[in-house]
Amino acid sequence: DVVLTQSPATLSVTPGERISLSCRASESVDTYLHWYQQKPNESPRLLIKYASQSISGIPSRFSGSGSGTDFTLSINGVELEDLSIYYCQQGNSLPFTFGSGTKLEIK
Amino acid sequence: QVKLLQSGAELVKPGASVKLSCKTSGFTFSTSYMSWLKQVPGPSIEWIGWIYAGDGGTNYNQKFKGKATLTVDKSSSTAYMDLSSLTSEDAAVYFCARGKVGFAYWGQGTLVTVSS
Repeated sequence: DVVLTQSPATLSVTPGERISLSCRASESVDTYLHWYQQKPNESPRLLIKYASQSISGIPSRFSGSGSGTDFTLSINGVELEDLSIYYCQQGNSLPFTFGSGTKLEIK
Repeated sequence: QVKLLQSGAELVKPGASVKLSCKTSGFTFSTSYMSWLKQVPGPSIEWIGWIYAGDGGTNYNQKFKGKATLTVDKSSSTAYMDLSSLTSEDAAVYFCARGKVGFAYWGQGTLVTVSS
């Protein structure tokens, strides 16, 4: 199975900061890498698909980059509502797998 | 708009089975892939498998073969997942989601508790 390693596990942030979250795959997943946001007691929400493609309705401060094994989710100007857990997920190789998440918290 | 409404929380005894449902609206169900996912506190998310509503074709995570069975009812635009021989390892929140390799829309989740 493809292992997705997310770092850091927890990130303390100040509102307004630009931040980057990392997702590294144990083997190439091409650009079949998606990012989700999950708030407490809610379902995950798709933020970015295929590594860098934006999703309708998602604020433009969220962006993604990368291909192969190294991927980044960036938030340009963190807002309080962004405090959540962020997951990456690969859809290239069966079984599809998720990273263990990065938790965003207030500094 | 797209909606996925899952059935309510379940309390089941060890060794029993349970059938979860996911009623959909707002899109063409018969040409869609529906996936099921498992989330346990940790937190971690596992992909269980997908089913193509058009012909009932399925693809399972090997880990869940024999544990989960995915079906659909096109007449009611509803997806189902049967979980069999439940143990404490199966206690989790289960989500349905629309999609095959990425999941744009999710249900609200169904909590399954396994206890005697």
